[in-house]
Amino acid sequence: DAKTTQPPSMDCAEGRAANLPCNHSTISGNEYVYWYRQIHSQGPQYIIHGLKNNETNEMASLIITEDRKSSTLILPHATLRDTAVYYCIVSQNSGGSNYKLTFGKGTLLTVNP
Amino acid sequence: GAVVSQHPSRVICKSGTSVKIECRSLDFQATTMFWYRQFPKQSLMLMATSNEGSKATYEQGVEKDKFLINHASLTLSTLTVTSAHPEDSSFYICSAPDRISYEQYFGPGTRLTVT
Repeated sequence: DAKTTQPPSMDCAEGRAANLPCNHSTISGNEYVYWYRQIHSQGPQYIIHGLKNNETNEMASLIITEDRKSSTLILPHATLRDTAVYYCIVSQNSGGSNYKLTFGKGTLLTVNP
Repeated sequence: GAVVSQHPSRVICKSGTSVKIECRSLDFQATTMFWYRQFPKQSLMLMATSNEGSKATYEQGVEKDKFLINHASLTLSTLTVTSAHPEDSSFYICSAPDRISYEQYFGPGTRLTVT
C-alpha cells in the first residue's frame, strides 16, 4: 500500500469545520483513499472513501486533488464526540487480500468546547 | 450499516494458557477477514489475513503457530493465542470487507491481558 502522511495532531473548536489533510504522493491509479477514525479503546469506524471525485456522505466530505497526491477530510460541524484519531489510508479494493488496510499513525483530532 | 462483532470484549488469562477470540460478520458474508493488534498509544498493526476455506496469510514477523486462525464459515473467523505470555497483552481487532459496498467493517476489539 502507498504510504500516507498526516499531521500528528490538530485542534478544532466545537461547531466549526475540521479539515484534516493527508498526503499520498505515491498513490497508484487503482488505489482508493479511505478515511477511518478510532475513538479511544474502540474499533476503527469507516468514514468515507473515494477514487478521484470528491465524495460526501452524512458524516463528512472528502476532497481529492486532481493529481490525487493529497486529500482533505472535512467534518463540517465538529462536535466533542468527533474527538478521535483519524486515519487516511490508500488501498486497492479489488477483493481478497487487496482489501487489507495499512494504518499509519493518523491524526489525533481534539474538538474543544 | 453492517456489523462485525467480537467475543469476548475483555479477557484475562494466565501465562501459558491459550485464548480464543471470535470475530463474526452479522449481516453479510465475508470470505476474507483481517486480524490486527494494537499496543497502547500505537497504531493498528495487521497480523494476518483470514481466508474462508483456506489457510491464513500471516504478515512478516507474526508466528503462525502462536496465533492460530480458523475461518470455518463465511461469517466467523477465530484467532487463538496459544501459550500466551504477558507481551501478548494487547487490543486485538478484526475486520471484514463487504464485497458489495467495498466498505470494511471493524469489530469493537478484544482487550487481552496475560498475567
